[in-house]
Amino acid sequence: QLQLQESGSGLVKPSQTLSLTCAVSGGAIGSGGSSWSWIRVPPGKGLEWIAYMSHSGATDYNPSLKSRVTMSADRSRNQLSLKLTSVTAADTALYYCARGSVNDNYALGVWGQGTMVTVSS
Amino acid sequence: IVLTQSPGTLSLSPGERVTLSCRARQSVSTIYLAWYQHKPGQAPRLLVFGASTRATGIPDRFSGSGSGTDFTLTISRLEPEDSAVYYCQQYGSSPLTFGQGTKVEI
Repeated sequence: QLQLQESGSGLVKPSQTLSLTCAVSGGAIGSGGSSWSWIRVPPGKGLEWIAYMSHSGATDYNPSLKSRVTMSADRSRNQLSLKLTSVTAADTALYYCARGSVNDNYALGVWGQGTMVTVSS
Repeated sequence: IVLTQSPGTLSLSPGERVTLSCRARQSVSTIYLAWYQHKPGQAPRLLVFGASTRATGIPDRFSGSGSGTDFTLTISRLEPEDSAVYYCQQYGSSPLTFGQGTKVEI
């Protein structure tokens, strides 16, 4: 059974870099038929897509964040990473990683429990 | 592609039927339209993909329909545990986008 677990810097100072990891168990991130995404939920707001990575490593980013965000994969550790630079209070949110599967037309069928990130001095 | 959901909030009773709307400013590929349920303190849950296919384990009282620019999620008999925010999402065109959500209170 595929499981995702996010972790990372819970408190980040403004202008610094937010770094998050998504540990994947029960399946390989490079397996065909899977894609991976990061999504966030700011307090009191709705879901916002941040980044996407295909099983082959191709990436795509939300244009509103593209200049600041990088998604990468460490296949040896079977984990995904997200880096967001020059953070502001607007980046305070609950951050999720999620998997899309060919079985669900690549909709986000498996999610981690999320990790809260607060941007504050 | 901007997705607009309506209504914003609903207050309903158990056993009622509810239809949630998701309208796109431009045509969305039916294959890549999904609905999610999000409860406080929990991860979002995929309900429907391909506009009308229920995800594994989703009760048949949840159903999705629509095409082009108009999509709906119907809950035929509300249960207390259906209290949540419901989001539509399109993932056929970049950037992937979510609607702003409809909050359902039971």
